[in-house]
Amino acid sequence: SQTIHQWPATLVQPVGSPLSLECTVEGTSNPNLYWYRQAAGRGLQLLFYSVGIGQISSEVPQNLSASRPQDRQFILSSKKLLLSDSGFYLCAWSVRAATNEKLFFGSGTQLSVL
Amino acid sequence: ELKVEQNPLFLSMQEGKNYTIYCNYSTTSDRLYWYRQDPGKSLESLFVLLSNGAVKQEGRLMASLDTKARLSTLHITAAVHDLSATYFCAVVGGEKLTFGTGTRLTIIP
Repeated sequence: SQTIHQWPATLVQPVGSPLSLECTVEGTSNPNLYWYRQAAGRGLQLLFYSVGIGQISSEVPQNLSASRPQDRQFILSSKKLLLSDSGFYLCAWSVRAATNEKLFFGSGTQLSVL
Repeated sequence: ELKVEQNPLFLSMQEGKNYTIYCNYSTTSDRLYWYRQDPGKSLESLFVLLSNGAVKQEGRLMASLDTKARLSTLHITAAVHDLSATYFCAVVGGEKLTFGTGTRLTIIP
């Protein structure tokens, strides 16, 4: 069966520090991968999605970046965090071109930038 | 650009009552999803609706889709406390899902 791992679960970082969140998927190949952010009490905002290794689409201009070095690995990074980067970050995957496509979410990372 | 709107944003209702959450979207799509999120938790998939007139039910929740009106509804029947959560609809556009703002549902005993 497929599983998605996301870590860390909670992170507290000072402003200006770097960030690296990692997400891996098991049990499937060539998935679509996504990073979403949820600000406190708000909906989900799509940050990045990837349809293959090295292929990253950015939805919102920001100081975050994403990389997909391997088929089932998706990394969210920042060189210098801002206060506004605080939020709940969710990695997700889906099977490409599936008729009954579902989006499966990781457990999330609660990021607080102080 | 695909836009997805939900209403209401916040809903507080007594146990045993019925209510409907609405999801409108701006462009043609043939797939719509409903998710549930408990506080501090990830999202749990509830329903996938694939065609006009699709209706799915599980327990006290029933979802429907009208692709012509670009509208989906999530109906809650005889609400119970453990349905308290935030509910999101999400619509497929291209390779990605666009989420609604969410409806925070609180069931009062």
